[in-house]
Amino acid sequence: TQLLEQSPQFLSIQEGENLTVYCNSSSVFSSLQWYRQEPGEGPVLLVTVVTGGEVKKLKRLTFQFGDARKDSSLHITAAQTGDTGLYLCAGGRGRGSYIPTFGRGTSLIVHP
Amino acid sequence: GAGVSQTPSNKVTEKGKYVELRCDPISGHTALYWYRQSLGQGPEFLIYFQGTGAADDSGLPNDRFFAVRPEGSVSTLKIQRTERGDSAVYLCASKLAGHSYNEQFFGPGTRLTVL
Repeated sequence: TQLLEQSPQFLSIQEGENLTVYCNSSSVFSSLQWYRQEPGEGPVLLVTVVTGGEVKKLKRLTFQFGDARKDSSLHITAAQTGDTGLYLCAGGRGRGSYIPTFGRGTSLIVHP
Repeated sequence: GAGVSQTPSNKVTEKGKYVELRCDPISGHTALYWYRQSLGQGPEFLIYFQGTGAADDSGLPNDRFFAVRPEGSVSTLKIQRTERGDSAVYLCASKLAGHSYNEQFFGPGTRLTVL
């Protein structure tokens, strides 16, 4: 059972376009993280959101945590070829032993 | 400073053989995680160490999988009697202990292929 559903699974766009990817769950998470992974590399953390309704911006990337802390979205404005990669969301529960649950990821290709 | 390193980067073995995968975490990071990532999937948690002890090994799929971290730094993931279904990228991550969601730093992974 996939606790975190990511959509779309694949996305192919032209440079300059905007896009949104989604991360949904029926479970409540105390925190949610977004990672980007390139081929042959491990995931790299982009952002952590912890408060329901929280919005964080990282240059052209905007992250939102749902009010109920069950879902999140990542919006990219004016995509660049360097944004190409696998975007993963990961939910964490509670404190102490933090064991993140990862979604399957959204594979993004930005064409020049 | 140096990031998380994993060796070997690629490992090809035959069904039934034993393999060891090594992870060198960032110096000073007391927490260490192992994950397995199959094609088209996100990382799947295997085991978490806090210092030398396995704080949570609930993700290990069966008793063929074992991991150690004897001195609280380098960790080795050991797989006995490998099966074709074990083929995947095995990722290691480390982080500072303390706050639950502080950043994990991942290594590049070891790609294991069982023929």
